[in-house]
Amino acid sequence: AQSVTQLDSHVSVSEGTPVLLRCNYSSSYSPSLFWYVQHPNKGLQLLLKYTSAATLVKGINGFEAEFKKSETSFHLTKPSAHMSDAAEYFCVVSKLTGGGNKLTFGTGTQLKVEL
Amino acid sequence: ETGVTQSPTHLIKTRGQQVTLRCSSQSGHNTVSWYQQALGQGPQFIFQYYREEENGRGNFPPRFSGLQFPNYSSELNVNALELDDSALYLCASSFSDPRDTQYFGPGTRLTVL
Repeated sequence: AQSVTQLDSHVSVSEGTPVLLRCNYSSSYSPSLFWYVQHPNKGLQLLLKYTSAATLVKGINGFEAEFKKSETSFHLTKPSAHMSDAAEYFCVVSKLTGGGNKLTFGTGTQLKVEL
Repeated sequence: ETGVTQSPTHLIKTRGQQVTLRCSSQSGHNTVSWYQQALGQGPQFIFQYYREEENGRGNFPPRFSGLQFPNYSSELNVNALELDDSALYLCASSFSDPRDTQYFGPGTRLTVL
């Protein structure tokens, strides 16, 4: 079965400092992995996705993630946090179901950005 | 390009009632997935529709059912509402290739009293 574990439920950083949100995955085959962001009272927005191409994936708003098969990790990073980055972040793995795919979400990491 | 839209935005029902939530896919997408997000948790997969047929289902009871229409819009129906059904219900649309990104709507907040 596919699953993801987000290692931190809350992360707090100062504006302008690096962001690291950690995610480990479990999958019986080469997975598709995603990071989504959810701002308060909003839907989910895709930050980036990995689908077995380059292991370093660049996303929107300066975020990137590196797929490390040996460590079964897909950590999300950003060199410099901005106040607008404060939100809930979800690491997601995709599982094929018949002709489609099912997304399995982690429990989320709440990112707080302080002045 | 029109994004995924959902209606209504908020809904209050009482235990035992039935509810219908609606979703319009992003232009060109033929696959719709529904997710339930309880407060403080990640979304949970309910089911997916492709070409008007259910195409995968999560661990939800049969009182959760759905429809997809020829224009690819979709409905989620929940019968015999329970207090634990209170959640944000998210719809996502995509193309049929399993590697395609799912694009989410803003959700419908359902409160069951």
